[in-house]
Amino acid sequence: DAKTTQPTSMDCAEGRAANLPCNHSTISGNEYVYWYRQIHSQGPQYIIHGLKNNETNEMASLIITEDRKSSTLILPHATLRDTAVYYCIVRVVNSGNTPLVFGKGTRLSVIA
Amino acid sequence: GAVVSQHPSRVICKSGTSVKIECRSLDFQATTMFWYRQFPKKSLMLMATSNEGSKATYEQGVEKDKFLINHASLTLSTLTVTSAHPEDSSFYICSARVSVAGVSRYEQYFGPGTRLTVT
Repeated sequence: DAKTTQPTSMDCAEGRAANLPCNHSTISGNEYVYWYRQIHSQGPQYIIHGLKNNETNEMASLIITEDRKSSTLILPHATLRDTAVYYCIVRVVNSGNTPLVFGKGTRLSVIA
Repeated sequence: GAVVSQHPSRVICKSGTSVKIECRSLDFQATTMFWYRQFPKKSLMLMATSNEGSKATYEQGVEKDKFLINHASLTLSTLTVTSAHPEDSSFYICSARVSVAGVSRYEQYFGPGTRLTVT
């Protein structure tokens, strides 16, 4: 899997949009961008994934640049419960046994 | 759907004893399950890949005789930490891939984790 680079930490005011960047300059054409988050002392939670088009679900939006070398996860209205470590992972989507490999992620602190 | 449970959620054991952690996929079948370990303020580290009915595949540096993995059914995998020592104290997280007609799909779901403290 290609390596990703994320800022170590970010702060966001409650109610504002949280924009979490991720660089994946060596991403391959068949690799998807996945985002997971981990709230303290819990298992990781899936947020969203995409290949090249922007994606949106009930939790977040994913904006992928045209060259696919970077992406941004957007939490439109951050709440205190969104405080967590956010992991950006790139991986090939297949039916094999390749597990998710986690980097260091970004620690997002939502401040009241 | 796609719920993964772990039991126990936390356990304290004495040095030298063994501890078994269960991971269950509650509403789907999982041919493949993964075990991760996480130390405080660190990221998740993959320990092993567990396939139903076969031996687990361990990552480099993980002792297979110390961390025994059994995946006897499509909904249950167990991790046994044998002869536990204080340095084994960690947060253990399992994850399962959804299987359809015996083939693992890419979706990977995580359990809530088990906090092991060895005294």
